[in-house]
Amino acid sequence: GAVVSQHPSWVICKSGTSVKIECRSLDFQATTMFWYRQFPKQSLMLMATSNEGSKATYEQGVEKDKFLINHASLTLSTLTVTSAHPEDSSFYICSAQSGTSGSYEQYFGPGTRLTVT
Amino acid sequence: AQSVTQPDIHITVSEGASLELRCNYSYGATPYLFWYVQSPGQGLQLLLKYFSGDTLVQGIKGFEAEFKRSQSSFNLRKPSVHWSDAAEYFCAVLNTGFQKLVFGTGTRLLVSP
Repeated sequence: GAVVSQHPSWVICKSGTSVKIECRSLDFQATTMFWYRQFPKQSLMLMATSNEGSKATYEQGVEKDKFLINHASLTLSTLTVTSAHPEDSSFYICSAQSGTSGSYEQYFGPGTRLTVT
Repeated sequence: AQSVTQPDIHITVSEGASLELRCNYSYGATPYLFWYVQSPGQGLQLLLKYFSGDTLVQGIKGFEAEFKRSQSSFNLRKPSVHWSDAAEYFCAVLNTGFQKLVFGTGTRLLVSP
């Protein structure tokens, strides 16, 4: 149980275009989803927290207009990188947290590698 | 602010030897602590977690970790390392107020034959 999928697993796009990454909880309802960014050989940096049906909360320094997050249902959150540039190339990982009271565990997706050319 | 320190950037261990990865945390309240493993190009897999109770926690793949409040540590151990254990290991503490995980910088484990 507690499986989180991401699609696509990797994507290449041209500079200036937008790309959408999907994060799905396959066998549980995720009231909260998180989006992380990971640079090569570095740790995970939390970008934003999204709760189903409400606006995402972005971490300091993360451009909300560039990284659009939508959490429209209890099993799906999307991250759209708008007007992508080479510096946006990175490994993006989502995680999901169930709505069970007192459950703090996050289940991670396999990640999406974005390359902007 | 909460923080996690993993002092070893990388460690090399011979296959079959024991392993200990260090993790120190800074958190004002009772910490919720986690160890994750990440294989190249993959997401994170939870190895074990500590919320309360017995300070020696058993996890998957033969890993264990011990919570020591006096030392603010949560070190990960394995008695005998296998080549398949080569990966990046992350320690994390949960900020329960904001439901956020704060990760350490990771330790890359290399296993030599």
